[in-house]
Amino acid sequence: ETGVTQTPRHLVMGMTNKKSLKCEQHLGHNAMYWYKQSAKKPLELMFVYNFKEQTENNSVPSRFSPECPNSSHLFLHLHTLQPEDSALYLCASSQDGSGGLGEQFFGPGTRLTVL
Amino acid sequence: RKEVEQDPGPFNVPEGATVAFNCTYSNSASQSFFWYRQDCRKEPKLLMSVYSSGNEDGRFTAQLNRASQYISLLIRDSKLSDSATYLCVVNRPDDYKLSFGAGTTVTVRA
Repeated sequence: ETGVTQTPRHLVMGMTNKKSLKCEQHLGHNAMYWYKQSAKKPLELMFVYNFKEQTENNSVPSRFSPECPNSSHLFLHLHTLQPEDSALYLCASSQDGSGGLGEQFFGPGTRLTVL
Repeated sequence: RKEVEQDPGPFNVPEGATVAFNCTYSNSASQSFFWYRQDCRKEPKLLMSVYSSGNEDGRFTAQLNRASQYISLLIRDSKLSDSATYLCVVNRPDDYKLSFGAGTTVTVRA
């Protein structure tokens, strides 16, 4: 596989469930990102990992928990979510953590619905 | 004030027409500017970077106006396949992350 992959592509979960989103990048990049995209709103940066170290937690509620075991894999663990958390969750990677100076490559996203 | 603001549109144009739209950014210290394209229910993809002197990529022309803090995108000879949402993206100079606009939707009709 090439580029950035995400699984699952669609997820429906109840507020009491625990689930995880997975992202994998095959580009040899060192930085990975989680974004949330809600309808008609800008992408919201949630977490940044640079060389496996978390460098940003953008005031995200603790019901979202990221994990980056290596520079190619990124997880987002979900528990006790709220209906307003329903959105498209996008993973991205870039060559390094100076994401503002270089292109970011996005995965296809996980469309999450919380009932 | 939002970091990046865009006219949401939609801009409905016939094939072959020229369409142009702007994006304003709030931080005068921003240094990197991009246009990303996002098709319906797909992920954003880089369309082009925006350089100080302006740049073209085929039918697409991007301009940067630092004095007024806006960037523009012009699409010439519109194709049906140009229908998408165009995201204006600007770096945050404080932490080098990217700020995204909410997007401008363009619909090209036959």
